[in-house]
Amino acid sequence: ETGVTQTPRHLVMGMTNKKSLKCEQHLGHNAMYWYKQSAKKPLELMFVYSLEERVENNSVPSRFSPECPNSSHLFLHLHTLQPEDSALYLCASSQGQGGAGTEAFFGQGTRLTVV
Amino acid sequence: AQSVAQPEDQVNVAEGNPLTVKCTYSVSGNPYLFWYVQYPNRGLQFLLKYITGDNLVKGSYGFEAEFNKSQTSFHLKKPSALVSDSALYFCAVRGWQAGTALIFGKGTTLSVSS
Repeated sequence: ETGVTQTPRHLVMGMTNKKSLKCEQHLGHNAMYWYKQSAKKPLELMFVYSLEERVENNSVPSRFSPECPNSSHLFLHLHTLQPEDSALYLCASSQGQGGAGTEAFFGQGTRLTVV
Repeated sequence: AQSVAQPEDQVNVAEGNPLTVKCTYSVSGNPYLFWYVQYPNRGLQFLLKYITGDNLVKGSYGFEAEFNKSQTSFHLKKPSALVSDSALYFCAVRGWQAGTALIFGKGTTLSVSS
């Protein structure tokens, strides 16, 4: 248990559906991240939130929409996804203002399958 | 731009033998380096990090890593491998700027045979 909880653990959705991934951290961190992990590919950074403001968006398609309502919660809203979006989506948090040497803590991930 | 390279997709070792998983990095300024491990269908678990000071860093489960500035490397090591060490290992780097995200290598699968 890392203190970062992701729900749901597994999600199967059709290409026309709308769903949301949820991440919650109980560590008092002020930075949160979404990563995408696809088979045979490096971990891809998608979004970075620091102090509830989005500070980085790595050219992610608009069908992925993040939301950070407070420092403990992070959402990833999904709509009209493609089969190639099937992947493990990982949420992480860190004490962003604690210095560059602070490690990130990861949730268990949501295994997303788009059919 | 910062980046990490893990040149080996897979490393195979026999139980009881020493293991090394390689990592090289590129970053402006002083690097902050991390190793994570991932077991099947799980998130990433933090193993160890280098910030400053002693080049040999000790971490969880008997792992250690050696920082080499001249070779821009941060190889993960363990003197005696266990079958339970079999997993996917990621090296990551963050530049000097706090608040930026970790950038990860593509991962190396470690397979320890009994």
